[in-house]
Amino acid sequence: AQSVTQLGSHVSVSEGALVLLRCNYSSSVPPYLFWYVQYPNQGLQLLLKYTSAATLVKGINGFEAEFKKSETSFHLTKPSAHMSDAAEYFCAVSESSNTGKLIFGQGTTLQVKP
Amino acid sequence: DVKVTQSSRYLVKRTGEKVFLECVQDMDHENMFWYRQDPGLGLRLIYFSYDVKMKEKGDIPEGYSVSREKKERFSLILESASTNQTSMYLCASKVGGAKNIQYFGAGTRLSVL
Repeated sequence: AQSVTQLGSHVSVSEGALVLLRCNYSSSVPPYLFWYVQYPNQGLQLLLKYTSAATLVKGINGFEAEFKKSETSFHLTKPSAHMSDAAEYFCAVSESSNTGKLIFGQGTTLQVKP
Repeated sequence: DVKVTQSSRYLVKRTGEKVFLECVQDMDHENMFWYRQDPGLGLRLIYFSYDVKMKEKGDIPEGYSVSREKKERFSLILESASTNQTSMYLCASKVGGAKNIQYFGAGTRLSVL
């Protein structure tokens, strides 16, 4: 069965600092991986996705993630945090079926300090 | 632009009431999903539907049912609301295929008193 683990339920960084949100997955088949962001009182919005093309994936708002098969990881990074990045971030893996149900990690809340 | 609309942002209901949460998508997507979101637990799948009148249980279907009479609309029903169903409910839709994106509504925050 596929699963996702996000290390750290809360991450705090200073404005301008590097953002690193960790995600490890378990999958017996090549995975499709997603990062979503949820701003307060809103639904989830796609940041980026990995679908077996380039291993370094660029997303919106300056975020990127690198797929590392040897480490079964898909960590999300941003070189310089902005106050507006404060939100909850979810990593997800898609089931390898036509429906493509998502299996989510537990989420990481990013706090950005001035 | 993709749109998934949930009928209510906030709902307050009493224990034992029958509750309907409505979700409409305008993208002709085959697949629709209902999740609940609780702090520290992430998103958990309640039910999903892969076609009109077709449904499958997700990870936590107990206490819920769903209806999909038209392709664009997917309803979540709480037959007899209980306080432990107080939560944020998120609807999503997508086309078929594992690599395609799921699009989410803004969510309904339900409080059961």
